[in-house]
Amino acid sequence: EPEVTQTPSHQVTQMGQEVILRCVPISNHLYFYWYRQILGQKVEFLVSFYNNEISEKSEIFDDQFSVERPDGSNFTLKIRSTKLEDSAMYFCASRPGQANEKLFFGSGTQLSVL
Amino acid sequence: GENVEQHPSTLSVQEGDSAVIKCTYSDSASNYFPWYKQELGKRPQLIIDIRSNVGEKKDQRIAVTLNKTAKHFSLHITETQPEDSAVYFCAASRGGSYIPTFGRGTSLIVHP
Repeated sequence: EPEVTQTPSHQVTQMGQEVILRCVPISNHLYFYWYRQILGQKVEFLVSFYNNEISEKSEIFDDQFSVERPDGSNFTLKIRSTKLEDSAMYFCASRPGQANEKLFFGSGTQLSVL
Repeated sequence: GENVEQHPSTLSVQEGDSAVIKCTYSDSASNYFPWYKQELGKRPQLIIDIRSNVGEKKDQRIAVTLNKTAKHFSLHITETQPEDSAVYFCAASRGGSYIPTFGRGTSLIVHP
């Protein structure tokens, strides 16, 4: 079965540094998402992406965050200047199309900001 | 926006027992309620979902019930097995949004 893949699985960075989290959604999927989960807390929505633009974003997704689909396969989340509170597990997900609500998740990137 | 509360945070049962995880939601416009299972070190995977036009759905040993009036829904696992041990997340989304809001998760431990 096709899977969403995420790299790296773990990322350690210094506060203030930029990080890019990478995702390869399932190839025929049209909708892409980033969620995050701070340890012990809820899985929180960050942003959704469709047709090469952001379709919706949460209040967490401020100017420090950006997403990009640089080619036909990759979907990236960039954090420009990381803060300690950005430490979390970041999940990428994709969805086939309008009538299918099922999300397919990647295995996550654990980001640690020191 | 939508708020989903999930209880309990941890559930420990003996193999063969039943397990019930409960969630409440706040947005009466939510109409799609998926449940995801996340085994240790693996990705969350959809195990069952229910839409607001039905009250119950079953798939082998798992079932989900929905009470729209009370705005709560539950996951029921019967005859639990050690391989059911995982974190279970409930979620809710409104039609047209397709952006599920998740609960905090329940860590289910099934003891052999």
